[in-house]
Amino acid sequence: DAKTTQPPSMDCAEGRAANLPCNHSTISGNEYVYWYRQIHSQGPQYIIHGLKNNETNEMASLIITEDRKSSTLILPHATLRDTAVYYCIVRVGGGSQGNLIFGKGTKLSVKP
Amino acid sequence: DGGITQSPKYLFRKEGQNVTLSCEQNLNHDAMYWYRQDPGQGLRLIYYSQIVNDFQKGDIAEGYSVSREKKESFPLTVTSAQKNPTAFYLCASSTRQGGYYEQFFGPGTRLTVL
Repeated sequence: DAKTTQPPSMDCAEGRAANLPCNHSTISGNEYVYWYRQIHSQGPQYIIHGLKNNETNEMASLIITEDRKSSTLILPHATLRDTAVYYCIVRVGGGSQGNLIFGKGTKLSVKP
Repeated sequence: DGGITQSPKYLFRKEGQNVTLSCEQNLNHDAMYWYRQDPGQGLRLIYYSQIVNDFQKGDIAEGYSVSREKKESFPLTVTSAQKNPTAFYLCASSTRQGGYYEQFFGPGTRLTVL
């Protein structure tokens, strides 16, 4: 499984877009990019995932570069409730094991 | 409301005692998982189960045991053999249709060994 690299922390002003980067330069062709977040002392929450194309849902947008070596999670209008640790995970889609491999993620602080 | 419940939220035990953490889901998910999280760290997989009466060891299974007698339930026992059991324990579930990696997590149980 491809490893991911994320900055340890980021700040964002409330109401502005939060852009969280993730490098996965060793990603293989059948590996998906997943994003989760964990608000303090709670269980992680699934946000979005993608393979090649950019994806958007009610929570966020995922932009994957054409060479798939990096991606960016975009929270279009960050609120204070978006303060959390964000995890970028790369896994083979529909894999038989299903276990997620969490690194330390990026701690996003949204400030008023 | 559909979801995953874990109980209790906080648990204290004396060194040398076994303790069982509860995890129940009413999402009709096939697969269930147990993760451990230490302060400032990511999650590490303890055990997972894809069908009833079957489960597999994860990365850090030593000192833990599980059972999967019902689809809805996946209890975790932390045994006295676990050398450093104080941690935040998270249960999750997913479906085959979700590709397994779209996992739903419970609120967690914080275990402290005194």
